[in-house]
Amino acid sequence: DTEVTQTPKHLVMGMTNKKSLKCEQHMGHRAMYWYKQKAKKPPELMFVYSYEKLSINESVPSRFSPECPNSSLLNLHLHALQPEDSALYLCASSQERFGRGSYGYTFGSGTRLTVV
Amino acid sequence: AQTVTQSQPEMSVQEAETVTLSCTYDTSESDYYLFWYKQPPSRQMILVIRQEAYKQQNATENRFSVNFQKAAKSFSLKISDSQLGDAAMYFCAYTDKLIFGTGTRLQVFP
Repeated sequence: DTEVTQTPKHLVMGMTNKKSLKCEQHMGHRAMYWYKQKAKKPPELMFVYSYEKLSINESVPSRFSPECPNSSLLNLHLHALQPEDSALYLCASSQERFGRGSYGYTFGSGTRLTVV
Repeated sequence: AQTVTQSQPEMSVQEAETVTLSCTYDTSESDYYLFWYKQPPSRQMILVIRQEAYKQQNATENRFSVNFQKAAKSFSLKISDSQLGDAAMYFCAYTDKLIFGTGTRLQVFP
């Protein structure tokens, strides 16, 4: 299995809703990442988990809450989002632990989030 | 802070021809990694090629090769024998945090 699987593919939520994005990989990768990508822009790093511990939080608002229950699974919990949070949310994983060099990341196909 | 710059918002090439996409970066580090990623309309970011900064030899992956000039902090991507399936957004990226450039949209004409 050489894939990163993200669910759901599309999500529409109201500003008072609570929802979660899910990301799964079975490649034995030890680092996992959340990126946010607005239309016609490059992805921007949000969070890094290395060996299931949060390594980096790029000053992301607290309405985004990451969770890494085990080495294969990464969640992003969403609460009280704003319309400007509408974007493509990409999950990625990498072979080595974060900061130990890089063979590049494997990305999922993303969740297209619309906040209404 | 590290930065990555792609100065070509759009490029076009005819099928079977060769095209070069430019990327420059700024860093004070001596050991790092550089990448080219492709993002087709399907949205998934696909790793095209990877270069380790301490290696002098330019990386090659089939029709894709790079021209890595460490002193000039330049990292261009050459696509040979272009195919319709190469049409996508191409991002240059730097090391662990994957700091991305702004991207180059490549169109391929038959």
